[in-house]
Amino acid sequence: DAGITQSPRHKVTETGTPVTLRCHQTENHRYMYWYRQDPGHGLRLIHYSYGVKDTDKGEVSDGYSVSRSKTEDFLLTLESATSSQTSVYFCAIRDSSGNQPQHFGDGTRLSIL
Amino acid sequence: AQSVTQPDIHITVSEGASLELRCNYSYGATPYLFWYVQSPGQGLQLLLKYFSGDTLVQGIKGFEAEFKRSQSSFNLRKPSVHWSDAAEYFCAVGSSGTASKLTFGTGTRLQVTL
Repeated sequence: DAGITQSPRHKVTETGTPVTLRCHQTENHRYMYWYRQDPGHGLRLIHYSYGVKDTDKGEVSDGYSVSRSKTEDFLLTLESATSSQTSVYFCAIRDSSGNQPQHFGDGTRLSIL
Repeated sequence: AQSVTQPDIHITVSEGASLELRCNYSYGATPYLFWYVQSPGQGLQLLLKYFSGDTLVQGIKGFEAEFKRSQSSFNLRKPSVHWSDAAEYFCAVGSSGTASKLTFGTGTRLQVTL
């Protein structure tokens, strides 16, 4: 296993509430990513980080923010959750040395009612 | 912009039969290509990757894939499928920038009949 822990694994919340998902890695990898997975769409990149305090947007970043204050933690925040953000969220990490693939966590299933 | 097409949403094969899952990509430069597998309720596991060199790459669990630049394809194959191979398979293309962002196809769900 790639040493990635996502928390919580499951969450149910209400529209309009803030939600924070956490990705923790033990590999000391430089790159971290947040994806969402929805039927018929595969996985789509939300945000990614290329170092502490260095982040950038992916293809579906609206309504999401991220923070990375430590190498090992990458937080995804939904400031005011909407039902369209009901999804399974995956974190991935990647080593910066050479050509390396991304390795994925086990996901967080988020339901917004 | 890069994109990936997996034309088969669902495939059913008999145990012991051969398997080929199709993947076509669009990318302006030499692509980095990946196949991942996902079992229900699980994360994605890397099956194999192509960065450069030999166009036939071997992966885990007896899978292989062939990069064909002329056809913009990276099809996944296995000579004899096992019941435990039933899962969803995703093809992805990675950008050549340092962040190497991935663009995924929509996936192919494999069912294996006994």
